[in-house]
Amino acid sequence: QKEVEQNSGPLSVPEGAIASLNCTYSDRVSQSFFWYRQYSGKSPELIMSIYSNGDKEDGRFTAQLNKASQYVSLLIRDSQPSDSATYLCAVIKAAGNKLTFGGGTRVLVKP
Amino acid sequence: GAVVSQHPSRVICKSGTSVKIECRSLDFQATTMFWYRQFPKQSLMLMATSNEGSKATYEQGVEKDKFLINHASLTLSTLTVTSAHPEDSSFYICSARGSPDRGEKLFFGSGTQLSVL
Repeated sequence: QKEVEQNSGPLSVPEGAIASLNCTYSDRVSQSFFWYRQYSGKSPELIMSIYSNGDKEDGRFTAQLNKASQYVSLLIRDSQPSDSATYLCAVIKAAGNKLTFGGGTRVLVKP
Repeated sequence: GAVVSQHPSRVICKSGTSVKIECRSLDFQATTMFWYRQFPKQSLMLMATSNEGSKATYEQGVEKDKFLINHASLTLSTLTVTSAHPEDSSFYICSARGSPDRGEKLFFGSGTQLSVL
């Protein structure tokens, strides 16, 4: 079982719609959770970080964390073509420890 | 905000040569840096964790004698791919962990695309 799992996609959504991405992790002691966006040929850029159960909103992005079920999700509202990218879920087990990435979900926003 | 500079951005080399990639934290001291490798359409795989002034910790399956990591100062870590071969062609990305006052967030370099002919 992979430590961090994501559906590889592609997830195709029409412009203006909501894109919903999911991520599950295997280690219950994981403490910190991140969503990164990566365009082709570029390095990842941090979109959201979340550390406690519940929702966290930042602009058009909402991260949701459920530690009991060991999943973290990302919602992208009012999706734009510029949101087309690969979204990487990443997890840190404990403070100072390494960041483990999921395989990424490719999102395609169609005009 | 914090910036991590990675050079070169792209390298094309002949098989058997060695390639050095530099990763610098420009406005903060990074006690820990990480080196990742990413093959096309795959996710980032951690290669090693580099701590200033000590030996790097390599992930399982990563050859420490082939991928030499040096972290001689708090602002610079280097990755040297020795005797590179076509299978080493990949996108290499470094990241640096910020100081506690920055929430110890990870900042990524812009990546190095290595192509070995």
